[in-house]
Amino acid sequence: QSVLTQPPSVSAAPRQKVTISCSGSSSNIGSNYVSWYQQLPGTAPKLLIYDNDKRPSGIPDRFSGSKSGTSATLGITGLQTGDQANYYCGTWDSSLNTVIFGGGTKLTVL
Amino acid sequence: EVQLVESGGGLVQPGRSLRLSCEASGFTFDNYAMHWVRQVPGKGLEWVSGISWDSGTLAYADSVRGRFTISRDDAKESLYLQMNSLRPEDTALYYCARRGITVTTRAFYFDWWGQGTQVTVSS
Repeated sequence: QSVLTQPPSVSAAPRQKVTISCSGSSSNIGSNYVSWYQQLPGTAPKLLIYDNDKRPSGIPDRFSGSKSGTSATLGITGLQTGDQANYYCGTWDSSLNTVIFGGGTKLTVL
Repeated sequence: EVQLVESGGGLVQPGRSLRLSCEASGFTFDNYAMHWVRQVPGKGLEWVSGISWDSGTLAYADSVRGRFTISRDDAKESLYLQMNSLRPEDTALYYCARRGITVTTRAFYFDWWGQGTQVTVSS
C-alpha cells in the first residue's frame, strides 16, 4: 500500500487528453517537489517531470505537471498509442525520511 | 550519452548474499548521488538505498537496513549494493538510478535509470 495514491488505471482515445492524479500528505507532496516517471512495457522508468512542473530535455510539451496542496497531477495531451505505459509519481517524505512512489497508473489509449 | 549498466543479479537461496554492481558512463560520476530502486514484476517502485556524491551520506529503506550496504568506487565509476541475509521478499528487479542535481533538499528525482538486474531469492 503506497503512501502516495494514484488511480490504478485511466483510459482515453487517441488525440484526447488525460490527467493522472497523485494524492499525498503534508509530509510529502505538501512540502516537497514531485516527479513523474513513464515506464513503457518491459523497460526501465523514464523521467517525465521533475520539480512539479519541469520537463527534462527531450520530453515533449504534451506532458505537463502541476501541484496544489497535497496533490499533484500529470497531464498528457494529444494522446498516442505509444503513450500506453505505467506512470508513477514520486517525492521525498520528510517524516519517513525516504523517497516514496505512488502505486502507479496504467494508461490505456483506446 | 548517460549509461547505467547493472549486473550481479541471479538466483540465490534465502539467507545467502549477493553483490550488485552498476557501471556508469557518459557523465562525471563523482558529481552525483546514486541510488538503488527495486520493482517486483507487475508491481510498483520501491526505493532501496542511496549514497551521496562524496559517500558521506548513506541511506536505506527500513526493509533492508542492517542487511544491505551501498558503496561506490569513483575511480571505477561504479555503484554497488552488497545484499546479505536475503529473503524471498527481496525478489525484484533492481535498478541503479542517478539522482538529479537540485538546489534544494526538497527536490528529489531520478533522471537516469539502468535497465535493471533481476534478483530471485528462493530455495
